[in-house]
Amino acid sequence: DSGVTQTPKHLITATGQRVTLRCSPRSGDLSVYWYQQSLDQGLQFLIQYYNGEERAKGNILERFSAQQFPDLHSELNLSSLELGDSALYFCASSEGLAGKEQYFGPGTRLTVT
Amino acid sequence: SQKIEQNSEALNIQEGKTATLTCNYTNYSPAYLQWYRQDPGRGPVFLLLIRENEKEKRKERLKVTFDTTLKQSLFHITASQPADSATYLCAPLGGSQGNLIFGKGTKLSVKP
Repeated sequence: DSGVTQTPKHLITATGQRVTLRCSPRSGDLSVYWYQQSLDQGLQFLIQYYNGEERAKGNILERFSAQQFPDLHSELNLSSLELGDSALYFCASSEGLAGKEQYFGPGTRLTVT
Repeated sequence: SQKIEQNSEALNIQEGKTATLTCNYTNYSPAYLQWYRQDPGRGPVFLLLIRENEKEKRKERLKVTFDTTLKQSLFHITASQPADSATYLCAPLGGSQGNLIFGKGTKLSVKP
């Protein structure tokens, strides 16, 4: 158990809808990272927050947004969903900004029908 | 743009042998590189971190090397066991804020 929790575990929704994925980092970790993993693309970095502030952006679509709250949990919002958004979404946390290992949650499997 | 290549999608070896996985990166020079293990349907698990000024790092049966001239890292598992079967991901540092760029992984199968 990494200490990172993600909810829900599974999500099935229709195209055009909006969903919110939630992540609670390990106790004491200030950095939260979001990744998308699909079969053909591998693990793609989406966005990073550190102590409530956005710090780095990867291949995140404009339809997607995230935030980190004062209690350090984070939410990833996906809107106007398309079939191609079906994937595993992972959250990871680490102690600081760089030079530390990342601890991954169990993931949320999103299926868009 | 930054590019990470793990040399093979799959590697099959016999129990007891040494598995060697390769990671090549291009178009940048990461300050460090991490290796993760991922089992099907689960989140990656951190294994080792090696910095650019370190040539080699060991942890139990695992060894990682980092050649900044060749822009390559090698990951070795000695005395491999069927329980080592998993996908192994190479992840060099992607930016100054600590985000990583993951390779697509090498799926290792260790046969008894």
